[in-house]
Amino acid sequence: EIVLTQSPGTLSLSPGERATLSCRASQSVSSSYLAWYQQKPGQAPRLLIYGASSRATGIPDRFSGSGSGTDFTLTISRLEPEDFAVYYCQQYGSSPPALTFGGGTKVEIK
Amino acid sequence: QLQLQESGSGLVKPSQTLSLTCAVSGGSISSGGYSWSWIRQPPGKGLEWIGYIYHSGSTYYNPSLKSRVTISVDRSKNQFSLKLSSVTAADTAVYYCASYIVVVGAFDIWGQGTMVTVSS
Repeated sequence: EIVLTQSPGTLSLSPGERATLSCRASQSVSSSYLAWYQQKPGQAPRLLIYGASSRATGIPDRFSGSGSGTDFTLTISRLEPEDFAVYYCQQYGSSPPALTFGGGTKVEIK
Repeated sequence: QLQLQESGSGLVKPSQTLSLTCAVSGGSISSGGYSWSWIRQPPGKGLEWIGYIYHSGSTYYNPSLKSRVTISVDRSKNQFSLKLSSVTAADTAVYYCASYIVVVGAFDIWGQGTMVTVSS
């Protein structure tokens, strides 16, 4: 099973600042199958990025994803008040078909 | 626009079977390219994939839960279901159903989630 480790656990930033979130896999992940989600308290997660770098429908362009192999990054270029939330990465592996999530990074207001 | 809605018992006794249903609206559960999944989140913790069922009926489960999980589809009602047997307090969580786009490997639509507590 591929383990995804997200860092940092908590990121304290001010609105307008840049956020850089890391997701590291225990073995190589196909870039086609790496996704990022945002979750706010009391809400279901929302898909932000799929295929490591493609934004989902309706996601603002301040959100971007990058990376390959075992290291992936979610960047929020300028934090808006509504961006303070928990972010999860997720991968799909095909042999056998299985999915895992990272432990999450909380982006909080400094 | 596809929408998903979970329903089922919010309180289950230890050793019993948890049963949840996810109603799909705005689209057909038989649509190709999707699989139908369950994910859970214990209070204050992260997300755990439980399993999914393809439109073809093939199922895949998290190895850590495989012996206790069954996911099935009722095409006549456009819904899919989760059964988790022999539950313990560790199974207390918010349970989400979600649609999974196979070609991109991501969950695009989520239900609102339903809290299930395991307690006597």
